[in-house]
Amino acid sequence: GQNIDQPTEMTATEGAIVQINCTYQTSGFNGLFWYQQHAGEAPTFLSYNVLDGLEEKGRFSSFLSRSKGYSYLLLKELQMKDSASYLCAVRSDPGAGSYQLTFGKGTKLSVIP
Amino acid sequence: DTAVSQTPKYLVTQMGNDKSIKCEQNLGHDTMYWYKQDSKKFLKIMFSYNNKELIINETVPNRFSPKSPDKAHLNLHINSLELGDSAVYFCASSLNRGWDEQFFGPGTRLTVL
Repeated sequence: GQNIDQPTEMTATEGAIVQINCTYQTSGFNGLFWYQQHAGEAPTFLSYNVLDGLEEKGRFSSFLSRSKGYSYLLLKELQMKDSASYLCAVRSDPGAGSYQLTFGKGTKLSVIP
Repeated sequence: DTAVSQTPKYLVTQMGNDKSIKCEQNLGHDTMYWYKQDSKKFLKIMFSYNNKELIINETVPNRFSPKSPDKAHLNLHINSLELGDSAVYFCASSLNRGWDEQFFGPGTRLTVL
C-alpha cells in the first residue's frame, strides 16, 4: 500500500522562502509529483522527480531522496498568489504498466504580508 | 480553448437518484482518469482508461460505472446516490499511461441531499 505524509498547514511571509516536506512509503515507486491547488480550482502540475536530486523551475524547486522516502518542495520569493494547497503525489507501478498516482492530503500554505 | 472540460460544474440531487458527469479532453491524450476529492480535500483515484480500455479500477462501489465511448471522452454514471457521494469529482488526462503530467478538468461539485 501507499502512505504519504505532509504537514496539514503552513504559514509564511511574502518574499520569504518556504519548504514543504513530504515523506512516503510505497511499493513500486516510479516518481514523485507536486501539484498546486487553489481553493475551488483544479490541481495543476508543478514538478516531477524520478531520480534523486534537485529539480529547479523558476521560483519552485523540488528535491527527492528515494533511499529516505523523502521529498520537499521549495518556494522562493513568496507571493500572495502562492497561497494554495500543495499536494505531494507518488506514482507507483503495481505491474503491467498500470501506473497509479496516489496523493497525500495536501499542505495548505497561507502567505501573509 | 479548454483542454479538459467537465459538465455539469455543479450537481445537486436527492438520495437515490441516478446521475451522470461528462468529461471531454481535446489534447489528443490516450489516458483519462476520474478522481474524487472529499470534504477534507483528499484526492483519490477512482478509475483510469487508456484508449477506451479500463486499466485502473480502485475499490469503488459498483454504483459507479465509467464509460469511455472514445479516447477523448470519459463519463461517470452514478446509480442510487448516497449522502457520502457528496464530493468534488475531477476528470484528468495524460498523454499516455506512462505520463509525466496529468491535466485536470475544473471539477464537478456533487451535493446529495
